[in-house]
Amino acid sequence: AQTIHQWPVAEIKAVGSPLSLGCTIKGKSSPNLYWYWQATGGTLQQLFYSITVGQVESVVQLNLSASRPKDDQFILSTEKLLLSHSGFYLCAVQANTEVFFGKGTRLTVV
Amino acid sequence: QQQVRQSSQSLTVWEGETAILNCSYENSAFDYFPWYQQFPGEGPALLIAIRSVSDKKEDGRFTIFFNKREKNLSLHIKDSQPGDSATYFCAASASSGSWQLIFGSGTQLTVMP
Repeated sequence: AQTIHQWPVAEIKAVGSPLSLGCTIKGKSSPNLYWYWQATGGTLQQLFYSITVGQVESVVQLNLSASRPKDDQFILSTEKLLLSHSGFYLCAVQANTEVFFGKGTRLTVV
Repeated sequence: QQQVRQSSQSLTVWEGETAILNCSYENSAFDYFPWYQQFPGEGPALLIAIRSVSDKKEDGRFTIFFNKREKNLSLHIKDSQPGDSATYFCAASASSGSWQLIFGSGTQLTVMP
């Protein structure tokens, strides 16, 4: 079974500062990977997906970007954080039709 | 326009009762419907899923009833326990086209002891 490691667990960042969140997948080669965002008490919104190294598709524009530098790694970043970026960021991996989520990163922008 | 709709934001049941969580969808192309359980501060966990070729899927105390004609489904949690208290998300995806998993807004279930 695959494992999903997200880092950091939580971040408190200032408006206008840069951000980088990471996700590493173990136990599955060439996985489809996803970034989701969840506002406090809200639903899950898919942000990006990637089916292979170097290829990332954006689902919704939130002034964020994503990259897949390695087969097992997915990075979410921005150069300038907004207050609206606060929330819970989840990395997910697809195994057949099933999607499994990591433990998430709690981001607070102040 | 919400593609996946969960009619109840919250639901409270007593321990031992059957909790029924409802979900409906708009897109006829959706053919895979997972339910996720999420506890505060954690990522959602896949609970049970059904494909549109079936009308029922059972796994222990959890059962999905699916109505393709009406475009709705429900999750039944039999013999509810306080440990089942969590937020439950209905989701949907289509096997054709770009792959996205669309989530409903979630139902917060509270099981009272």
